[in-house]
Amino acid sequence: DTAVSQTPKYLVTQMGNDKSIKCEQNLGHDTMYWYKQDSKKFLKIMFSYNNKELIINETVPNRFSPKSPDKAHLNLHINSLELGDSAVYFCASSQDSPSSYNSPLHFGNGTRLTVT
Amino acid sequence: AQSVAQPEDQVNVAEGNPLTVKCTYSVSGNPYLFWYVQYPNRGLQFLLKYITGDNLVKGSYGFEAEFNKSQTSFHLKKPSALVSDSALYFCAVRFNTNAGKSTFGDGTTLTVKP
Repeated sequence: DTAVSQTPKYLVTQMGNDKSIKCEQNLGHDTMYWYKQDSKKFLKIMFSYNNKELIINETVPNRFSPKSPDKAHLNLHINSLELGDSAVYFCASSQDSPSSYNSPLHFGNGTRLTVT
Repeated sequence: AQSVAQPEDQVNVAEGNPLTVKCTYSVSGNPYLFWYVQYPNRGLQFLLKYITGDNLVKGSYGFEAEFNKSQTSFHLKKPSALVSDSALYFCAVRFNTNAGKSTFGDGTTLTVKP
C-alpha cells in the first residue's frame, strides 16, 4: 500500500542510452513532481504537473521529458544520458487547492541512476 | 525570490540532550514552512508545517518547530534526542505564488551519539 512508488529503484546504464523512470501515487493527489538529489544531497525541483498539466518546468536540459498519462502517474524519460545525470531522482505528490499551497509533499523512495 | 537557508551542515548532540536544527527563509509574502526528514536510501518524510496561527507547531516523533516572523526563522527542536533521530533534515518553504513551488534548504545532518 505504498503511497508514492517509483520503479526501478536502481538504474545503471551507459552514456548515450535512453531510459525511463516510472512513478505512481495512490493518494488521490492532483499534483506530482520530479526532484533531483545530487551527490551532496541538494534537492532541486525539475518538473511539476497538476491534473496532467505541466505547471513547473525548471531549467532542465530538454533531454529530460516528463509525461503524465493521468493524475496518478508521472514518468520521466531521459535521452542521451550523460555522466552528470547520475543522481537520485525522487517523485513526489501533494494535494493543493488552487489558491493555497500549504500541503506537504509525499515522496517516493527514489531511483538511483548511475551513468557509466 | 524565495529561498531557505540551513546554516549548519552538521549538528551533533548527545542522546537525551535537547536538539535544535536551524532554518531561516527570505521574506516574500506569507510563507508556508515545512520540515522533512530523510533516512538513508529513503525518500523525504514530512515532519511538521506552519501555516498560520500558533507560532509553535508540533509534529511527528516528538519534534516541534517555532515560527519567528521577525527573525524569519523556523527552527526545528526536540527536548530529548534519540539515537534514532540521526538523519538528514530539510527545511522547505512554499508560497501561494509560483505554482506553489517548494524550495528546500541544503539539509542538515543530525547525529545523535549514545
